[in-house]
Amino acid sequence: GNSVTQMEGPVTLSEEAFLTINCTYTATGYPSLFWYVQYPGEGLQLLLKATKADDKGSNKGFEATYRKETTSFHLEKGSVQVSDSAVYFCALSDAQGGSEKLVFGKGTKLTVNP
Amino acid sequence: DSGVTQTPKHLITATGQRVTLRCSPRSGDLSVYWYQQSLDQGLQFLIQYYNGEERAKGNILERFSAQQFPDLHSELNLSSLELGDSALYFCASSAASPAADTQYFGPGTRLTVL
Repeated sequence: GNSVTQMEGPVTLSEEAFLTINCTYTATGYPSLFWYVQYPGEGLQLLLKATKADDKGSNKGFEATYRKETTSFHLEKGSVQVSDSAVYFCALSDAQGGSEKLVFGKGTKLTVNP
Repeated sequence: DSGVTQTPKHLITATGQRVTLRCSPRSGDLSVYWYQQSLDQGLQFLIQYYNGEERAKGNILERFSAQQFPDLHSELNLSSLELGDSALYFCASSAASPAADTQYFGPGTRLTVL
């Protein structure tokens, strides 16, 4: 079945450092790809999405490009802030059987130190 | 605020008991999804309803059931609870199915089974 693999955490960075969180997927067809963020004690918030190959999703300085040839959707940010500390989840929309259920990676915990 | 509401926020109960979790989707959204987040299994899809009808099932135990009512709110019923059912349960909603769409998550219900 469809699956998502993202880099193991935790990731610890200093403020203003460059962030990359790797995400690769296995899927039949052409799923939509998402990054969700979970701040401490809160629910999941959509960070960005891409619905087809070569699409770039972006939000709040974060970017990810849908790469069909490498089946990847890596999350990047040029300069992280302490407020970016959270758990980041890569996900794909699995449309098998007419449902758009999300398949999630295991999550990557990011801690940004001042 | 995603517009998805879940009650209660926390639930503490004993093994063997039954609980009901409630979710109200965003205004106008017809699809409701339930997910379970646990330390060992990560985020897993349980079940989806679309406009009152079951659309897809994931890794949902037979002790668990759900329904979506005419006003589109949904309830997840968990019975004969076991220690391993302790988890964060999220509800998400989206506008349409089967077209791929973005899911918006509620804040979750944290279930603790003692």
